[in-house]
Amino acid sequence: EVQLVESGGGLVQPGRSLKLSCAASGFTFSNYYMAWVRQAPKKGLEWVATISTSGSRTYYPDSVKGRFTISRDNAKSSLYLQMNSLKSEDTATYYCARIPPGRLPFFDYWGQGVMVTVSS
Amino acid sequence: DIQMTQSPASLSASLGETVTIECRASEDIYNGLAWYQQKPGKSPQLLIYNANSLHTGVPSRFSGSGSGTQYSLKINSLQSEDVASYFCQQYYNYPLTFGSGTKLEIK
Repeated sequence: EVQLVESGGGLVQPGRSLKLSCAASGFTFSNYYMAWVRQAPKKGLEWVATISTSGSRTYYPDSVKGRFTISRDNAKSSLYLQMNSLKSEDTATYYCARIPPGRLPFFDYWGQGVMVTVSS
Repeated sequence: DIQMTQSPASLSASLGETVTIECRASEDIYNGLAWYQQKPGKSPQLLIYNANSLHTGVPSRFSGSGSGTQYSLKINSLQSEDVASYFCQQYYNYPLTFGSGTKLEIK
């Protein structure tokens, strides 16, 4: 059974940093592109980052480019999101998501999500 | 960026009815479209990909159709467990973008 379990969320002040983790199990992690998607309270979904199987290729929207960094450790079956210079508009539930074989970037499995609140 | 316009924003229907949700892309996305269901307090779940392919384990009362810039999700024989928000997502091009969602309730 595919499982994605996020951790590392919490309350952080504007301008500070936070690192999210996602522990994957139930599939061969190193074979899959992975992504982060977020959802502000009572709002829609926003794609945040995608990473290739080796980690050599990453993709970001303009809203987080230069502030957020996605990375992975295939030996630990783990995905990460380093978030720097956080803003109030980054407040959201962050989901770790798997991109299926074939690498068309939609998401076939999602974690339960972790809440990040940016506030002074 | 490709904009995804989803309608309606909310929908109320009776059990057993058929409902349709629409997504319009700002340019041709060549069937690069997925639909997700998000039940209250839960994470999104994939329903449909490539505009009309049913994800593993999804009931056959869900179906997707469309081409070019216009796509739709149809739910036949509406059941109580279908109460959820539904989102479309285009993956033809980066940045990946989602529709604003449709909240489905039972009348």
